[in-house]
Parts: sequence; structure tokens; C-alpha cells
Amino acid sequence: DVKVTQSSRYLVKRTGEKVFLECVQDMDHENMFWYRQDPGLGLRLIYFSYDVKMKEKGDIPEGYSVSREKKERFSLILESASTNQTSMYLCASWGGRAHEQYFGPGTRLTVT
Amino acid sequence: ILNVEQSPQSLHVQEGDSTNFTCSFPSSNFYALHWYRWETAKSPEALFVMTLNGDEKKKGRISATLNTKEGYSYLYIKGSQPEDSATYLCASRNDYKLSFGAGTTVTVRA
Repeated sequence: DVKVTQSSRYLVKRTGEKVFLECVQDMDHENMFWYRQDPGLGLRLIYFSYDVKMKEKGDIPEGYSVSREKKERFSLILESASTNQTSMYLCASWGGRAHEQYFGPGTRLTVT
Repeated sequence: ILNVEQSPQSLHVQEGDSTNFTCSFPSSNFYALHWYRWETAKSPEALFVMTLNGDEKKKGRISATLNTKEGYSYLYIKGSQPEDSATYLCASRNDYKLSFGAGTTVTVRA
């Protein structure tokens, strides 16, 4: 079974803090994704990576950056957290012969 | 960004009843349509991936149909059970990226 894990299920941070959300997958997938989910909106793609050290902006990259130093790990960074970044963050991976993206359990981030 | 819409946003169904809901997506440059089930406190779980017009897929009491010419897919739940309570997401695939709808949240009342 593919496993995608995220470092925290719940996180509370203060405005202006630097925040790291970590995601690890164990299936050697090339592609990894970060989404956020807000009420009434679909999953919106923030950034994705199709290889180590490679990244591409998704639909809503503003205020975020990412890091992919190893194939299995994809980090989302909020350089200076703001209250409008309070959201559910989901990581996903996809690759090889898989027909779909595999998701982590999500991190609910609250910025106060 | 592909404009994917789902309706209704939420629905309540009595245990044992059947229900269905819709996903609409742009029919141009269509590649594949994905359905996911997302239960509270769990990861979204893939249900179906459909690519061909007229495709029908089934998994237990849940099935889905696809019309790529008019750009819609239906998901059906037959004889709803409390464990079917979840948010059902559809997504249209473009290359290896998915554009998601906002989801339909199904609550099954015992």
C-alpha cells in the first residue's frame, strides 16, 4: 500500500512565523503535490514537483515556497504565515504505474 | 485552471435510500475524470478513474458514469449506509495535474 504521511495533523502558528509542512511518500513516486482545501472550494494546487529539486507553481503559489531535496520528501514553506493561510493542507504523490494521486491525511493549520 | 463543478454541495439521505450527484467539467481537451471519497479524519481515497465516453465503473454499491461529449459524470450510491457518509470529490485530469470540484458532502441518516 502506498503511504503518504504528513508531519502534523494539527498546527497552530502565529502571524509572521515561518512554517514548515513536511510530506513523505514511500512509493518512489516522481510527482508530489501540495493542495489547500477551504470550505466551499475544491482542492487548490499550490505547488508541485516532478523530480528532485524541480518545482512548478500551481494555481495559488503566492505566499508559499517548496523544497524537494530528496525524492520521498516534499516540504511546503510559509515564509511569513498570515491569517488567510489558515486552511487544511493536503500532500499527494503520483508516479510509476499508479492511475491516481495518493493523499496524506492532511494538516489543519490555524494562523492566529 | 479547469472549471470543475459539483452539485449539490451537500445532501442528506436516509439509510437504505439511493442517491446520485453530478460533476461537470470542460469537455475540450479531456483526459480523465477521477472520483475520490474523503471521510472525516482520513485521507482522500480514490474511487474511480474514467477516460472513455460512456464509461461505467462500479465498486460495491457505488457506481459512476461518464459523458465526455457533454462534460459530466454522475456518481450513484445504491442503498446508502452510514459508512457512505463522506465528501465525494471529482477531478478532471490535465497531464498529471488534477483540477478538483468543491465536493458533495453526503450524510446518511440511520
